[in-house]
Amino acid sequence: KAGVTQTPRYLIKTRGQQVTLSCSPISGHRSVSWYQQTPGQGLQFLFEYFSETQRNKGNFPGRFSGRQFSNSRSEMNVSTLELGDSALYLCASSSAARQGSVTQYFGPGTRLLVL
Amino acid sequence: TQLLEQSPQFLSIQEGENLTVYCNSSSVFSSLQWYRQEPGEGPVLLVTVVTGGEVKKLKRLTFQFGDARKDSSLHITAAQTGDTGLYLCAGEEAAGNKLTFGGGTRVLVKP
Repeated sequence: KAGVTQTPRYLIKTRGQQVTLSCSPISGHRSVSWYQQTPGQGLQFLFEYFSETQRNKGNFPGRFSGRQFSNSRSEMNVSTLELGDSALYLCASSSAARQGSVTQYFGPGTRLLVL
Repeated sequence: TQLLEQSPQFLSIQEGENLTVYCNSSSVFSSLQWYRQEPGEGPVLLVTVVTGGEVKKLKRLTFQFGDARKDSSLHITAAQTGDTGLYLCAGEEAAGNKLTFGGGTRVLVKP
């Protein structure tokens, strides 16, 4: 079974631009979560989607948004990029129909650099 | 907001030595997970502990969940160079698939 894939793997943008990151979950997984990882803040939860609906949300500004498609693939969008948005963005998928106590499988991440 | 604190932040040991990483919180989690992350990769799940007082062993790795389900430890016996990596603990809130991660412990095992 193929793992979680994320595209692109690396991205360079400038302040004020917007960016869209993509995540393809493991086949059969319907839950996709997004995390931001930075040296200063560590790994922080952004949001989770299940069956095309946002089910959970972290404490990030509205510039961070996401969506999920009917095939469970998910995209994350960041508008009006700031220098502090430079980070590794990780996507994780799980098979959870109900929430809680499930294994999340992480992708390799997209490294975003904002100049 | 539930927080997880990991200690130490960095650990450098010689191959064959033992090490312990701690993960502490003032909050209760429904489960606690340990991950290892290597450069350029996403975190890989090592173990999930659910029951207070639970001890799980994975070869040379021993994981313990505190009785009150607020803290956990990871102990590696006879560390090998392949154990080098970033170890992360993550607490799962009862409300959903939302993991709260600790700051991580970077382990370096020297030959």
